[in-house]
Amino acid sequence: DGGITQSPKYLFRKEGQNVTLSCEQNLNHDAMYWYRQDPGQGLRLIYYSQIVNDFQKGDIAEGYSVSREKKESFPLTVTSAQKNPTAFYLCASSIPGGRVEQYFGPGTRLTVT
Amino acid sequence: AQKITQTQPGMFVQEKEAVTLDCTYDTSDQSYGLFWYKQPSSGEMIFLIYQGSYDEQNATEGRYSLNFQKARKSANLVISASQLGDSAMYFCAMRSSGSARQLTFGSGTQLTVLP
Repeated sequence: DGGITQSPKYLFRKEGQNVTLSCEQNLNHDAMYWYRQDPGQGLRLIYYSQIVNDFQKGDIAEGYSVSREKKESFPLTVTSAQKNPTAFYLCASSIPGGRVEQYFGPGTRLTVT
Repeated sequence: AQKITQTQPGMFVQEKEAVTLDCTYDTSDQSYGLFWYKQPSSGEMIFLIYQGSYDEQNATEGRYSLNFQKARKSANLVISASQLGDSAMYFCAMRSSGSARQLTFGSGTQLTVLP
């Protein structure tokens, strides 16, 4: 079945460590996105990529980095520079087109202590 | 800058009744799209319905309909015949006509369906 995979579902790290969240899609979508969700709040865009080897910062990119070496993969690294990394992280993808929704992965819940 | 406002942090509805979830938006774009997503407690985001800014008719998808009032910049979601499985967080989102097509989300409404 086509879809978006995010692993792991839950991730625990010590403060000061970098951590990489994976996002893989087999939908053949060109565009991919990373969002952050804090408790009781909406989603905020971290980074997005419209094509392989190209990505742009979203609204809250500080302390995060991404890469897009393959169409199917868009990993997100949460660096030690991110002041409040504990959150729920959602990856999404879409195809070009005005009426097309974004498809979301199941999310990764990151806890940093 | 775009902004989505959802003024109802929580809503309750009796099973089998209809409920309206409010969403207002602010944009200077002439062409835009409005989306509603459902987020159950498991966390995944489920697409429900889409309305384009130039669509003349309100969108409908099964039990979901979108009450689009362009002049008032509102895009309220109407769920008819509520079911217990409708209990979830609901998000309104907007996409600009720009090439990046990223979504701007509201803060969400937690809907609880009562038996």
